[in-house]
Amino acid sequence: GAGVSQSPSNKVTEKGKDVELRCDPISGHTALYWYRQRLGQGLEFLIYFQGNSAPDKSGLPSDRFSAERTGESVSTLTIQRTQQEDSAVYLCASSLEGRFSNQPQHFGDGTRLSIL
Amino acid sequence: GQNIDQPTEMTATEGAIVQINCTYQTSGFNGLFWYQQHAGEAPTFLSYNVLDGLEEKGRFSSFLSRSKGYSYLLLKELQMKDSASYLCAVTNAGKSTFGDGTTLTVKP
Repeated sequence: GAGVSQSPSNKVTEKGKDVELRCDPISGHTALYWYRQRLGQGLEFLIYFQGNSAPDKSGLPSDRFSAERTGESVSTLTIQRTQQEDSAVYLCASSLEGRFSNQPQHFGDGTRLSIL
Repeated sequence: GQNIDQPTEMTATEGAIVQINCTYQTSGFNGLFWYQQHAGEAPTFLSYNVLDGLEEKGRFSSFLSRSKGYSYLLLKELQMKDSASYLCAVTNAGKSTFGDGTTLTVKP
């Protein structure tokens, strides 16, 4: 079956522009995660959706960042007024169930965002 | 707070055994995952530990000691394709905190 799909795979934009990143999780996966990975660094947690529960937004670095998810399907991560420090790979992952679960996360290939 | 430590880099020889350590201090703990990430690719799941002890999966094994806040990933019979970054991640209430990863280079 299909894995986690992210689009676009690459995005180059000018500082100050807004960008929207999309994630299609694996069908049936109730948990969805967004991470940021800067070059040579680990994964930085951004936000976590679990079913219809309120999302855990504790990792969003500023109010320029927001994310939405419709039910248990597609999610979009929006970055407003982009800054050069936003340049990174943004990874989306999904799992069968998040809370108290031993289900591994399945990652998409990421969106490589470059801010000029 | 959450703090996860892994060595930044390791080098080993093809056919050998290597142990990658991970220590953590976290405010909660449900389990610990290990992921492999090749350069420019997405992380992929390797192993999961929730109870103390060793979990073996083919050439890869992972160990956990919750009282010590310590885990290791053991890779046996190293192959060139094992050159990658290995990420330790602690989960609590659905949220995973990742270490910065250990870049393993396997040499002939």
